[in-house]
Amino acid sequence: GQNIDQPTEMTATEGAIVQINCTYQTSGFNGLFWYQQHAGEAPTFLSYNVLDGLEEKGRFSSFLSRSKGYSYLLLKELQMKDSASYLCAAHRSNDYKLSFGAGTTVTVRA
Amino acid sequence: GAVVSQHPSRVICKSGTSVKIECRSLDFQATTMFWYRQFPKQSLMLMATSNEGSKATYEQGVEKDKFLINHASLTLSTLTVTSAHPEDSSFYICSLEGQETQYFGPGTRLLVL
Repeated sequence: GQNIDQPTEMTATEGAIVQINCTYQTSGFNGLFWYQQHAGEAPTFLSYNVLDGLEEKGRFSSFLSRSKGYSYLLLKELQMKDSASYLCAAHRSNDYKLSFGAGTTVTVRA
Repeated sequence: GAVVSQHPSRVICKSGTSVKIECRSLDFQATTMFWYRQFPKQSLMLMATSNEGSKATYEQGVEKDKFLINHASLTLSTLTVTSAHPEDSSFYICSLEGQETQYFGPGTRLLVL
């Protein structure tokens, strides 16, 4: 079965750091995606973690612990344009399907 | 540049009519495409996997006779919502499997009156 959990909402101020946690229980787990989705738009790819550890891409970093079924997305130096929904998705190796969490709405305030 | 396109981007129709949504792969040939549905403030729910040259595989609870999928070529998959009702109003998004990610189309917003 698939069970992906992430917080519903987070609020932070411009320039701050926010960490979005995601826990998963996924059969045939291959890796963990993070997507950004602005209201009314399709998701855009942020990161994909297959191995344990932290991967940094500019202001965004993503971490994965396969043994704990846990990932987080770290957003640094927050900007107003970062206000969006952030979706974690577990990728299955057997059928390549994605199982999405409900999404975390991040609101950045001035 | 865009990898996946969808048409139309937005459609309003009367209850009982059928609506066709196209998903095109622009950069490479896609033997597999995915169709998702997203209701307001909810996450993406996989509806079906579209396979080129064969029947689509549907997720549990998705009616295959209501949501017809045709994947006639390596660059085009279509989703037809038959006899649409107001509860079918949603954001429909297609995606295709790429290198280490899935590429999503821009989505089609369907409103059934």
